[in-house]
Amino acid sequence: KQEVTQIPAALSVPEGENLVLNCSFTDSAIYNLQWFRQDPGKGLTSLLLIQSSQREQTSGRLNASLDKSSGRSTLYIAASQPGDSATYLCAVRDNAGNMLTFGGGTRLMVKP
Amino acid sequence: DGGITQSPKYLFRKEGQNVTLSCEQNLNHDAMYWYRQDPGQGLRLIYYSQIVNDFQKGDIAEGYSVSREKKESFPLTVTSAQKNPTAFYLCASSVLAGPSSYNEQFFGPGTRLTVL
Repeated sequence: KQEVTQIPAALSVPEGENLVLNCSFTDSAIYNLQWFRQDPGKGLTSLLLIQSSQREQTSGRLNASLDKSSGRSTLYIAASQPGDSATYLCAVRDNAGNMLTFGGGTRLMVKP
Repeated sequence: DGGITQSPKYLFRKEGQNVTLSCEQNLNHDAMYWYRQDPGQGLRLIYYSQIVNDFQKGDIAEGYSVSREKKESFPLTVTSAQKNPTAFYLCASSVLAGPSSYNEQFFGPGTRLTVL
């Protein structure tokens, strides 16, 4: 059964720092991987989706990479801002394309 | 405005009662999903539906039931058989289910259920 792990569980950084969030998964037979942002008490907002054939995706200050063979993805946030404070979740979709398996999330706080 | 709505935002239930959570989407998506989120944890899939009048169990379906009578609606009932129902419930939808570039999921704002 697929398991997804996110490290660290929580992270606090000063404003302006570049940072990396990590996601690992046990079964490399995935269809795609998605990174989400969740603000407290809110739903999920999709940030980036990487197909299994892709190595990375970029959106503004965010860059997500995927190494399927090693079961790893990273989310790179450049020049962090207090508005980036939220929980970041990664999720992998199985090859049947139906099931999303989520990691536990990384709770990020960016201090002014 | 296109999107996914969930109601109510907060719900309180006494032990032994069934309660139904509403999820509506006007995105014309075929597939809909229900997830449960416990504090500090990721989401776990309860049920999903790929088409009207069809639905499949997810990882934690015990104590829950769903229906899909209309394309835009996918209500979730938390029954008294669910032993620990206090959680944050999220509904999602996608254009299609299955291996497709159209299976990206979009989420509603969630319902927080508390059992008193």
